[in-house]
Amino acid sequence: EVVLTQSPATLSLSPGERATLSCRVSQSVTTYLTWYQQKPGQAPRLLISDVSNRAPGVPGRFSGSGYGTDFTLTISSLEPEDFAVYFCQQRYFWPTFGGGTRVEIK
Amino acid sequence: EVQLVESGGGLIQPGGSRTLSCAASGCIVTSGYMSWVRQLPGKALEWVSIIYDDGRAWYSESVKGRFTISRDASQNMVFLQMNTLRVDDSAIYYCARGLVPNQGDYWGQGALVTVSS
Repeated sequence: EVVLTQSPATLSLSPGERATLSCRVSQSVTTYLTWYQQKPGQAPRLLISDVSNRAPGVPGRFSGSGYGTDFTLTISSLEPEDFAVYFCQQRYFWPTFGGGTRVEIK
Repeated sequence: EVQLVESGGGLIQPGGSRTLSCAASGCIVTSGYMSWVRQLPGKALEWVSIIYDDGRAWYSESVKGRFTISRDASQNMVFLQMNTLRVDDSAIYYCARGLVPNQGDYWGQGALVTVSS
């Protein structure tokens, strides 16, 4: 099984600050890396597909980068609605998810 | 607008069976990629099963041989037949639609399955 390790587990930041979330994969998945956002009581929401392609309606402050085994999700300036849990997922092999990074208000 | 609505969750005894349903609107279940993804009580996400537009189906190792995914074009629905349920199958089960394989572009609100005696 392909293992995705997200860090940090929790990120405590203030609105307006920059958030940088990491996802490391145990084997190369080339560009088949997806990011989701999940808020309490809600289903995951697709944010970014194939490393850097924002889903329709996703604000431009969200960006993704990386290749192979190291990936990053960046939120350039946190808005109040961005405080949530973020999961990465690879789809190169049988799909697996990372454990998530919680972005909380400091 | 794509909408997915799951139903069929509930409390089931270990060893029992249950079928989850996913009613789709705004899309056609026989095109694209329809999946079931579960979220365990500790919040981890696990891809359970996927059915491709050509009808091929795939399963995670943890459910292979026990769960079956299917679809009904006339009802525009996707199903997950779950047999020999175990306590560790307890989770919220989401129906998801992908525009590409193994991705969830659209998600339902989830159905809670609790396996307990």
